[in-house]
Amino acid sequence: DGGITQSPKYLFRKEGQNVTLSCEQNLNHDAMYWYRQDPGQGLRLIYYSQIVNDFQKGDIAEGYSVSREKKESFPLTVTSAQKNPTAFYLCASSATGNEKLFFGSGTQLSVL
Amino acid sequence: AQSVAQPEDQVNVAEGNPLTVKCTYSVSGNPYLFWYVQYPNRGLQFLLKYITGDNLVKGSYGFEAEFNKSQTSFHLKKPSALVSDSALYFCAVRDPVSSGSARQLTFGSGTQLTVLP
Repeated sequence: DGGITQSPKYLFRKEGQNVTLSCEQNLNHDAMYWYRQDPGQGLRLIYYSQIVNDFQKGDIAEGYSVSREKKESFPLTVTSAQKNPTAFYLCASSATGNEKLFFGSGTQLSVL
Repeated sequence: AQSVAQPEDQVNVAEGNPLTVKCTYSVSGNPYLFWYVQYPNRGLQFLLKYITGDNLVKGSYGFEAEFNKSQTSFHLKKPSALVSDSALYFCAVRDPVSSGSARQLTFGSGTQLTVLP
């Protein structure tokens, strides 16, 4: 069954802690994206990757880091430098030349 | 810079009535426009897109959207609403002539549609 899998569904972060959100896709898509969703603000782009071993900052990259060592995987690390990390995080992917995004089910990150 | 506005946070409509969810955009070139739907605690699902061609675009689940260049609008419509259409709807725009992260989609703030039985 093809799609994008995000884990965990819920994640809690303590002060000063880095946490990593997982995103895996089996759609053979080249491009992958991370968005942050806050109530009433829509989605904001954190990072995106158009090809393996390459990624670019989006609009709100500060306090986040990513890697793209495999085509299937695009993990997002929320570092301690991100002072307001509580949000719903969405991973997406798309095929090259195709504008349609496929989204995972999201991870809700909260601060303890 | 590209931007998109959804002027209504909430739209309520009775089941069986037509629905409209509004979207206006701003780009420097010819826009690529999209509608996505989000059900509670889930990711977004693609509904439809306008790239070029016919101004009336048909999409999934009986939805359609009309591109109006003079009014810079891309309103989502459905002739007869269902209770199951209740969800959060996002309009998105991309300016294909931009560079860097600006080439990626810009999403509106979302409109919560509630269809009342």
